[in-house]
Amino acid sequence: NTKITQSPRYLILGRANKSLECEQHLGHNAMYWYKQSAEKPPELMFLYNLKQLIRNETVPSRFIPECPDSSKLLLHISAVDPEDSAVYFCASSHGTVNNQAPLFGEGTRLSVL
Amino acid sequence: GDSVTQTEGPVTVSESESLIINCTYSATSIAYPNLFWYVRYPGEGLQLLLKVITAGQKGSSRGFEATYNKETTSFHLQKASVQESDSAVYYCALGRNSNNRIFFGDGTQLVVKP
Repeated sequence: NTKITQSPRYLILGRANKSLECEQHLGHNAMYWYKQSAEKPPELMFLYNLKQLIRNETVPSRFIPECPDSSKLLLHISAVDPEDSAVYFCASSHGTVNNQAPLFGEGTRLSVL
Repeated sequence: GDSVTQTEGPVTVSESESLIINCTYSATSIAYPNLFWYVRYPGEGLQLLLKVITAGQKGSSRGFEATYNKETTSFHLQKASVQESDSAVYYCALGRNSNNRIFFGDGTQLVVKP
């Protein structure tokens, strides 16, 4: 899906701060961050609708989402932990009701040393 | 809570053979959830394969089919003749109409041998 772009695609970190970026050109109002750890299904971290955070799952406080406009989503990570190694998927949908199926980006693979 | 259980992988089949990946769901607070199949090809992101939002209906895409069966709470994925390019991880998922939270199954890795 090239309509949702994520950067970077691969990230290798020690205990540093970094931001993941996502942009969608679909005119969608809802954007999501999902985390997929090895051998596990994707799990919802954050959901924004019309730039408002409406669902904040129980994730460590070192993960801070930001939605500067309705087409862009950021995920700031501070002092990463080895358990943060995973693929982080951005997704978007028209809204949050009426049977929307989120479309996913290609993911950012984070490896924590 | 809501949950999805699917065939444990890896599932290995030969090209041109038929395929079925089982999926059953439990939705404790909603009678008719939305049901999806997503696929993740090697090195790529998650893609929506098909979705069905009405009980009794069938969805199809790329030769794959799945029927929403509310009596057995199942949404099995089937294909009559697989190809090597179908090798991927397949996720059954359940969604609510009200808040669009998607619950994914653990995924089933499909390996198609030439």
